[in-house]
Amino acid sequence: EVQLVESGGGLVQTGGSLRLSCVVSGFTFSSYWMYWVRQVPGKGLEWVASIKPDGSDKYYADSVRGRFTISRDNAKNSLYLQMNSLRAEDMAVYYCVRKNYFDYWGQGSLVTVSS
Amino acid sequence: DIQMTQSPSSLSASVGDRVTITCRASQGISNYLAWFQQKPGKAPKSLIYAASSLQSGVPSKFSGSGSGTDFTLTISSLQPEDFATYFCQQYNSFPITFGQGTRLEIK
Repeated sequence: EVQLVESGGGLVQTGGSLRLSCVVSGFTFSSYWMYWVRQVPGKGLEWVASIKPDGSDKYYADSVRGRFTISRDNAKNSLYLQMNSLRAEDMAVYYCVRKNYFDYWGQGSLVTVSS
Repeated sequence: DIQMTQSPSSLSASVGDRVTITCRASQGISNYLAWFQQKPGKAPKSLIYAASSLQSGVPSKFSGSGSGTDFTLTISSLQPEDFATYFCQQYNSFPITFGQGTRLEIK
């Protein structure tokens, strides 16, 4: 069974940092592109970042480029999102997602940014 | 960036009805189009990929069609569990973008 489990969300002050993690199981993690997608509760979905299976290519939304870093550790079946210089508009539920057409999603991790 | 425009933004229907949701891309995306269902407090669930391919385990009451810029999601014989919000997504190019969502409500 494919599973993606995020952790690391929480309350952080404006300008602060947070690192999200996603541990996966049930598939060969090192073979797949992986993604982070976020959603303000009650609102639409926004793609945040993507990473190639071997970690050599990364893509970011304009809204987070230069502040967020996506990475992965294939030996640990883990995906990460380092979020720096957090802003109020970064407050959202962050999902770890597999594959370019997002076939499997984690349960989400809530990031709250407070001034 | 490719803009995805869904219509309608909300839709009221009755159990047993057949409904169609439309998604239009601002430029051609071939068939790189996916559809998702989301219920309150839950992660989105994949329904359709490659515009018309049914995700494993998804009932055949869901169907997708289209290519290029115009796409549709059709849900037949609505059941209470189908009332949710539906999103389309293009994965033809970065940045990956989503439609704004269609809220399907019980009439």
